[in-house]
Amino acid sequence: DAKTTQPNSMESNEEEPVHLPCNHSTISGTDYIHWYRQLPSQGPEYVIHGLTSNVNNRMASLAIAEDRKSSTLILHRATLRDAAVYYCILNSFNKFYFGSGTKLNVKP
Amino acid sequence: EAQVTQNPRYLITVTGKKLTVTCSQNMNHEYMSWYRQDPGLGLRQIYYSMNVEVTDKGDVPEGYKVSRKEKRNFPLILESPSPNQTSLYFCASSLKTGEGYEQFFGPGTRLTVL
Repeated sequence: DAKTTQPNSMESNEEEPVHLPCNHSTISGTDYIHWYRQLPSQGPEYVIHGLTSNVNNRMASLAIAEDRKSSTLILHRATLRDAAVYYCILNSFNKFYFGSGTKLNVKP
Repeated sequence: EAQVTQNPRYLITVTGKKLTVTCSQNMNHEYMSWYRQDPGLGLRQIYYSMNVEVTDKGDVPEGYKVSRKEKRNFPLILESPSPNQTSLYFCASSLKTGEGYEQFFGPGTRLTVL
């Protein structure tokens, strides 16, 4: 069974915020939550990660539910270059468990 | 330039013919890992290595071998490839082992086993 579940696809308008959800109901107390994105014909690229508290970096924000069973990746102003597949990942010690990803389409 | 390189980028082979996909990183990273990507399944971890001579199984290790004799290299070996190993393979590395470190991915190797 998949450790993370994500919607298959989402659509956003350029310059608007995007909220990408992820459910990880079986997360354990020491598992980190990572988000990566993958552009066509490229390897995945790191976006953000967190453990319990919300996190911000230059690319995005990560909001983690209080019970840690879900999280949301927030792109504050989507651009056309943000169109990609976004993966929510559980990192358990040395192992990484990818979800099937959300394909984000950004409309001009 | 800091990077993870993989060779070959594309490979078509036949069932049973042993092959090796090489992975090298120039960032002095301790942790390295191999993934396969199949349509609709995301990426699945095959093997990982915490440091030289320390490797362990990921989620889908069957049919694969790895070795870590040098810190920079982490080859993936398919001793007797089968058609169900046709996939897109990614190598990745990160500074340290364990949680919370960013992984850097290679460009991928597309393998077809006939």
